[in-house]
Amino acid sequence: KQEVTQIPAALSVPEGENLVLNCSFTDSAIYNLQWFRQDPGKGLTSLLLIQSSQREQTSGRLNASLDKSSGRSTLYIAASQPGDSATYLCAVSQTGANNLFFGTGTRLTVIP
Amino acid sequence: NAGVTQTPKFRVLKTGQSMTLLCAQDMNHEYMYWYRQDPGMGLRLIHYSVGEGTTAKGEVPDGYNVSRLKKQNFLLGLESAAPSQTSVYFCASRSGLAGGNQPQHFGDGTRLSIL
Repeated sequence: KQEVTQIPAALSVPEGENLVLNCSFTDSAIYNLQWFRQDPGKGLTSLLLIQSSQREQTSGRLNASLDKSSGRSTLYIAASQPGDSATYLCAVSQTGANNLFFGTGTRLTVIP
Repeated sequence: NAGVTQTPKFRVLKTGQSMTLLCAQDMNHEYMYWYRQDPGMGLRLIHYSVGEGTTAKGEVPDGYNVSRLKKQNFLLGLESAAPSQTSVYFCASRSGLAGGNQPQHFGDGTRLSIL
């Protein structure tokens, strides 16, 4: 069974700092990998989706990379802002399967 | 611009009671999903549907049933609620385009407590 791990579980940074969130998965036979944001009491918002054939995706200040062979993905947030404070979730979709396997998330706090 | 709407947002049940959670999407998506989110655990898939009239089991289907009579609606039923089903339930949908490389869109969740 696919296992997805996110480290650290929580992270606090001062405003303006660049930061990296990590995600690792045990089975490299993935179809795609997605990064989501979850605000307290809310649902998940999709940030970036990386197909298995891609190495990275960018959206504004966000950049996600994928290394299938090592089972790792990173989410890079540039020039962090207090509005970036949220829980960030990583999820992988496996080839031939229809569900997403989620990590437990990294809770990010950006201090003004 | 509703997206995915879940009803109700909160509910408290007694053990043994039944209820139905409703998910509605207005994006004409083919795929719909029900997840549960528990503290310290990632979201886990309960059931999913690949189109109107179809349903399939996910990772944790026991104690739940689903129906998709209309493309826009996906219902999750608890026939006899148990305390272990206390959780936050999320519905999601996605398009079938791009060979599956479309993001899932989530509702805001239903917070369910079983006493």
